[in-house]
Amino acid sequence: DADVTQTPRNRITKTGKRIMLECSQTKGHDRMYWYRQDPGLGLRLIYYSFDVKDINKGEISDGYSVSRQAQAKFSLSLESAIPNQTALYFCATSSPGQGGGYGYTFGSGTRLTVV
Amino acid sequence: DQQVKQNSPSLSVQEGRISILNCDYTNSMFDYFLWYKKYPAEGPTFLISISSIKDKNEDGRFTVFLNKSAKHLSLHIVPSQPGDSAVYFCAAKFQGAQKLVFGQGTRLTINP
Repeated sequence: DADVTQTPRNRITKTGKRIMLECSQTKGHDRMYWYRQDPGLGLRLIYYSFDVKDINKGEISDGYSVSRQAQAKFSLSLESAIPNQTALYFCATSSPGQGGGYGYTFGSGTRLTVV
Repeated sequence: DQQVKQNSPSLSVQEGRISILNCDYTNSMFDYFLWYKKYPAEGPTFLISISSIKDKNEDGRFTVFLNKSAKHLSLHIVPSQPGDSAVYFCAAKFQGAQKLVFGQGTRLTINP
């Protein structure tokens, strides 16, 4: 089984619909992140959480919300999806003390299309 | 404002030759730099990193060079192999933080 599992892998949804992307990890890491990847823009941070009671906005949090249900689970919600939220979404985990980001473990991504 | 920039969206190199991927950054508070590699339908995976107190780090065929005065780092792959074809992301970490700032990525294609 993958260390970081994202569901669904692919999703097509209509404008205005609410959608949730889920992430679960078996690494035992405290820190979890949601990034989105867009062509020409790289990976941009949406939200991050350093423990269950800690939620922080990243650089592009507008239009998104998150929930840290447990140490192992971190979900991303689009309350009312819009077409410019079409992107590839990645969840990642890391552990403090590992230094830098080589502790980052990414999921395989969710490709979201909003029509 | 893009704090970590990869100005070449794509690079094509012949198998066996050297691949050089470049990355520029604007913030002198970054203290750690990393390269991630991404294949289609997979998440990025860590490749190599360098602390800001060093100017070179080598791991097998991969070497990262850091020029702090120019705020520039580069990844050298020698010799390049077909399996190196992927998208490469440069990333940086602020001192005292753990979240990463990524560049736009460079798609490397190794031609036989």
